[in-house]
Amino acid sequence: SQTIHQWPATLVQPVGSPLSLECTVEGTSNPNLYWYRQAAGRGLQLLFYSVGIGQISSEVPQNLSASRPQDRQFILSSKKLLLSDSGFYLCAWTAGEYNEQFFGPGTRLTVL
Amino acid sequence: AQKVTQAQTEISVVEKEDVTLDCVYETRDTTYYLFWYKQPPSGELVFLIRRNSFDEQNEISGRYSWNFQKSTSSFNFTITASQVVDSAVYFCALSEAEVGFQKLVFGTGTRLLVSP
Repeated sequence: SQTIHQWPATLVQPVGSPLSLECTVEGTSNPNLYWYRQAAGRGLQLLFYSVGIGQISSEVPQNLSASRPQDRQFILSSKKLLLSDSGFYLCAWTAGEYNEQFFGPGTRLTVL
Repeated sequence: AQKVTQAQTEISVVEKEDVTLDCVYETRDTTYYLFWYKQPPSGELVFLIRRNSFDEQNEISGRYSWNFQKSTSSFNFTITASQVVDSAVYFCALSEAEVGFQKLVFGTGTRLLVSP
């Protein structure tokens, strides 16, 4: 069966520091991968999606970037964090005939 | 542009009450998918249901039921005999009909509080 992992689970970082969040999927090949951010008390905003290795599409201009170095690995990064980057970051995947997205456990990021 | 509206920010009920969560959507596509997700306090989104735009049959799964009405662009979710474990934030979402790859547009969610 397929599983999706995210780490770290929680992170507290100072403003201006770098960021790297990792998402990996097991039990499937060539998944489509997504990064979402959920600000406190709000809905989910799609940040990036990827249909294959090295292929990244950005949905909103921002302080973040994404990379997909391997088929089942999706990384969210920043060179310098802003206070507004605080939130709950969720990774998701779809594959094959299914078009419901399955989500990882999330990373809660607090920028101080 | 696609849009999903969940007008109810928070609903509080007492255990065993029935509760309906409203979802209204906007899209110009004739083919699309609708979803409901549950977000418990742990934060992870749990997939509940997918419905395509050609299937207006209502669906029942245990205590959960969904009412899809294209005429009113609504996809409402009812929990019968609510339980404390149903307490969570519930999101309705919409996507274009593209197999395998889709961008989900989420509503802002409805927080359901079920007290004993």
